[in-house]
Amino acid sequence: AQTVTQSQPEMSVQEAETVTLSCTYDTSESDYYLFWYKQPPSRQMILVIRQEAYKQQNATENRFSVNFQKAAKSFSLKISDSQLGDAAMYFCAYRSGQGAQKLVFGQGTRLTINP
Amino acid sequence: DAGVTQSPTHLIKTRGQQVTLRCSPKSGHDTVSWYQQALGQGPQFIFQYYEEEERQRGNFPDRFSGHQFPNYSSELNVNALLLGDSALYLCASSLNIGRTDQETQYFGPGTRLLVL
Repeated sequence: AQTVTQSQPEMSVQEAETVTLSCTYDTSESDYYLFWYKQPPSRQMILVIRQEAYKQQNATENRFSVNFQKAAKSFSLKISDSQLGDAAMYFCAYRSGQGAQKLVFGQGTRLTINP
Repeated sequence: DAGVTQSPTHLIKTRGQQVTLRCSPKSGHDTVSWYQQALGQGPQFIFQYYEEEERQRGNFPDRFSGHQFPNYSSELNVNALLLGDSALYLCASSLNIGRTDQETQYFGPGTRLLVL
């Protein structure tokens, strides 16, 4: 079974600075997808960024980028120019490339932005 | 473009009761997945419905059941509620077009269930 581990329960960063959230996963599959979701206090899970395992290039979405290290099974999220609205729980998630679309989530990292 | 909607937003039940939660998928989506998120934890997959059939199920007892309607909306039913069923229940929808890289799940705001 696949597992996802987020080793940082909490992180904080000064507004406008850069922060990196860590995620590692365990799988024997070669075809899979990785995601970062953001969950603000409103509770709604919002997709931040996704990475296909077959792509060597790291995904980027505006201020959000990932460092995908397939051999190390590592998938970190970098947030540049942090904004107050980035404060939320961040979840790393794994989905197999085969079969149904079950997402396997990590425990989450609570990100605080200090003004 | 309507996103994923869930009802009710909050619910309080007592042990042993039954509950039904509802989900309407994002416009154009045909697949609905349900997740349970305990306080301070990541979501756990309950099951997924496609074409009105349960396609995959997580490690949850038979007390958890579901249904998908022809309009793709879905219900999650939980029987014989336990205190441990208190959680945020999230619904996610996606479009099954046979290409996994297109099948990103979009989440609703969730239903907060408290069992007393």
